[in-house]
Amino acid sequence: DAGVIQSPRHEVTEMGQEVTLRCKPISGHDYLFWYRQTMMRGLELLIYFNNNVPIDDSGMPEDRFSAKMPNASFSTLKIQPSEPRDSAVYFCASSFPDPLNQAQYFGPGTRLTVL
Amino acid sequence: AQSVAQPEDQVNVAEGNPLTVKCTYSVSGNPYLFWYVQYPNRGLQFLLKYITGDNLVKGSYGFEAEFNKSQTSFHLKKPSALVSDSALYFCAVRRSNDYKLSFGAGTTVTVRA
Repeated sequence: DAGVIQSPRHEVTEMGQEVTLRCKPISGHDYLFWYRQTMMRGLELLIYFNNNVPIDDSGMPEDRFSAKMPNASFSTLKIQPSEPRDSAVYFCASSFPDPLNQAQYFGPGTRLTVL
Repeated sequence: AQSVAQPEDQVNVAEGNPLTVKCTYSVSGNPYLFWYVQYPNRGLQFLLKYITGDNLVKGSYGFEAEFNKSQTSFHLKKPSALVSDSALYFCAVRRSNDYKLSFGAGTTVTVRA
């Protein structure tokens, strides 16, 4: 398996622009997670999906952030409008539903810089 | 609420010496505990987990961790460290009935030749 795939790997944009991050989970994984990593706040869970349905979005920082999962093999995280404080590395992760095999497998991340 | 504490920002050891990275947790109910490693400019890689059963868990790359319920700890260990083990290590916890993981702040391990 190719693992979790994220694109783009790097994104540089200007304040006010819309940013869309993409994720393809591992085939057969029913759970998908979006995280943000910064030096100040560490790793934060933003939102997670089960069978394409958002389960917990309490970590989404503001209404400027939105996430969708239109099918089992694709998810997007959108920031509109973007701000410099959104600069971070955004990770997508996926996992099996099996409660005894609950490791999350992470993608390589998207490094976002908002100027 | 659930949380993880990694009391050491950095751990430095010589190659061949034992390596320990400390982790304590707080969670209601039975914990599910994980260790991940992150190399520069890479995503997190799963090392090992404790769900139930034997308190000593063996994982990838020769790492192991010991679950101690009374001390609410889950320390990561490796008997003989390699220079290639130098990386950032994260401990994480979740409740048994919730898929939301909480991560510690991370511990940077440096293994010198």
